[in-house]
Parts: sequence; C-alpha cells; structure tokens
Amino acid sequence: AQKITQTQPGMFVQEKEAVTLDCTYDTSDQSYGLFWYKQPSSGEMIFLIYQGSYDEQNATEGRYSLNFQKARKSANLVISASQLGDSAMYFCAMREGKSTGGGADGLTFGKGTHLIIQP
Amino acid sequence: KAGVTQTPRYLIKTRGQQVTLSCSPISGHRSVSWYQQTPGQGLQFLFEYFSETQRNKGNFPGRFSGRQFSNSRSEMNVSTLELGDSALYLCASSYGTGYSPLHFGNGTRLTVT
Repeated sequence: AQKITQTQPGMFVQEKEAVTLDCTYDTSDQSYGLFWYKQPSSGEMIFLIYQGSYDEQNATEGRYSLNFQKARKSANLVISASQLGDSAMYFCAMREGKSTGGGADGLTFGKGTHLIIQP
Repeated sequence: KAGVTQTPRYLIKTRGQQVTLSCSPISGHRSVSWYQQTPGQGLQFLFEYFSETQRNKGNFPGRFSGRQFSNSRSEMNVSTLELGDSALYLCASSYGTGYSPLHFGNGTRLTVT
C-alpha cells in the first residue's frame, strides 16, 4: 500500500486564489513527521512546512499552512493568495518514528501534484 | 549561509562504468542523505549518513554506496551503471536526524547510455 497518496496529479488555479493540495498518509507509528516540498522546474527541492504527529496546532509558514487531520490521516497543504511563482511540483513526505532509531527508510514521498498558476 | 552544493550538475556515462557524485552540506549540518528521482518511481531514499556513519539505507542494490567524511561532505558511488540508473540524484542535509527538515541541493542529473 502507498504510504503517501497525493490524488491530484495536476491542478490549474487562477492567480490570487487559495489552493489546497491533498495528501493522505498511512502509518502505524504514533510518532511521525509530515513535510511538504516544492520542486520548480529547476529541480531543487524547497522545504515549505513541517507538522509533527503530536503537534496540536496546524503548522503555518507565511502563505503556507498545513491542514492536519490526524484521525483521517490527512495533511493537506493550503497556499493562500497564489502567485505565478507558485507554479511547481509539490510533494508531501513522511518520516516515521522508527527512522529516528536507524535502520528504516528516510523520507517517503508521494508522487506529487503539478500546480500551475494561471494569470 | 551557502546551501547544499552538488557536483557535477550533469553527467553522461556509459553502461558498465562507475560514477561518483559529490555533496557539500550546509555549514553546521551533520546529516546527509541521498535520494533518487525518476519519472517512473518518483523520489526514493538511498541512504543517510550522520557523523560519518550510515544510519539508514533504502532498498537499492549494493552497486549504490556512499560515505561521509569528517567535514560532513558526502559522496555516493554507483558501480556497473545500468540504463535504469539514469535519474536526478538529490542530496539533502539537515542539522540532525529524526524530524529535522531536509534541505536539498540542485541535484546531479545522471544519464546512462
């Protein structure tokens, strides 16, 4: 089974609108971390936001916020007031608690969502 | 602060050859990890190093190896290259392990012909 599922392969959004990128995850660990990364066409992966499994508040970083619904195993990224420069691939990723003890798999990434912001 | 630096940016190799990719982490970061990105398989974890010790390894054959030096710089080596090794190889560094966010370099684009 997929550990990280991103159901939107591509999205077109009008500039200045808010965008929600979906991410669901699958883990049996109680301790885990969820991350969102942006990858422009240049190839570099840019860290956007982090949410820990024990964090009670949703994470926010500027225009980015993470809608964390633990019971539903959902960690959607919300981008407010989208800009043309937000056009990129967006990846949801998870690191499970067992990784901190070594011998596990590092970050597990979803397949990504290709976001295109239209003027 | 300088970001993660990967060299070279592009490589073209022939099947059967070997290749070494280099990564310099952000100053002060002691953890370095490597990922392979392909259109078919997406992003896959290769290995993670912390203080010169391999802490985690992904599900890749033994042809893929790596090491970390005392200054935290890292190299990964792929021997006996196959066509399927063509990919973008991304290096990332973080201050620690666990849930520290990874900061990625621009990657090395390897093409095997």
